[in-house]
Amino acid sequence: EVQLVDSGGGLVKPGGSLRLSCAASGFTFSSYTMNWVRQTPGKGLEWVSSISTGSVNKHYADSVKGRFTISRDNAKNSLYLQMNSLRDEDTAVYYCVKGPLAFDSWGQGTLVTVSS
Amino acid sequence: QSVLTQPPSVSAAPGQKVTISCSGSSSNIGNNDVSWYQQFPGTTPKLLIDDNGERPSGIPDRFSGSKSGTSATLDITGLQTGDEADYYCGTWDSGLSAVVFGGGTKVTVL
Repeated sequence: EVQLVDSGGGLVKPGGSLRLSCAASGFTFSSYTMNWVRQTPGKGLEWVSSISTGSVNKHYADSVKGRFTISRDNAKNSLYLQMNSLRDEDTAVYYCVKGPLAFDSWGQGTLVTVSS
Repeated sequence: QSVLTQPPSVSAAPGQKVTISCSGSSSNIGNNDVSWYQQFPGTTPKLLIDDNGERPSGIPDRFSGSKSGTSATLDITGLQTGDEADYYCGTWDSGLSAVVFGGGTKVTVL
């Protein structure tokens, strides 16, 4: 059974940093593009970033480009999102999602709250 | 503003059919396949229709997806009260080099 366990969320002040992690199991992690998708409570889905199997290709939404960095460790079956210069509008639940395009498995989500 | 446009809500009586539209452009739907997701309040999204137009295991055939030009459609036939949820379309946008979603459509069973 595919499992994605998100962690690392919390309360952070504007301008602060946070690192999200996702522990994957139940599938060959190294064979899949992975993504981060976020959702503001009560609002829609927003794709944040994706990373290819060998970390060669990384893509970011314009809203986070230059501030967020996606990475993965295939040996540890783990996905990461380093979030710097956080803004109020980054407040959301962040999901680790198995790709590449049809997102068939989602983590439970981790809440990031940016507030002073 | 979402890159893909969906109606905010649709509704129909039990047993009826609803159609949810997802409108885009040549840089996204026009040249890439569309996936559809279902999300109940307080839960994570679930894949309904994959980018090949197939239903994952366990998804009833009451749900079907199609695409024509720069628009995609999700049909739900034999509507049930348990289908009340939010539905999202998503695809790759070649111009943005990004995955894009619609704003979501809330389905209400009257």
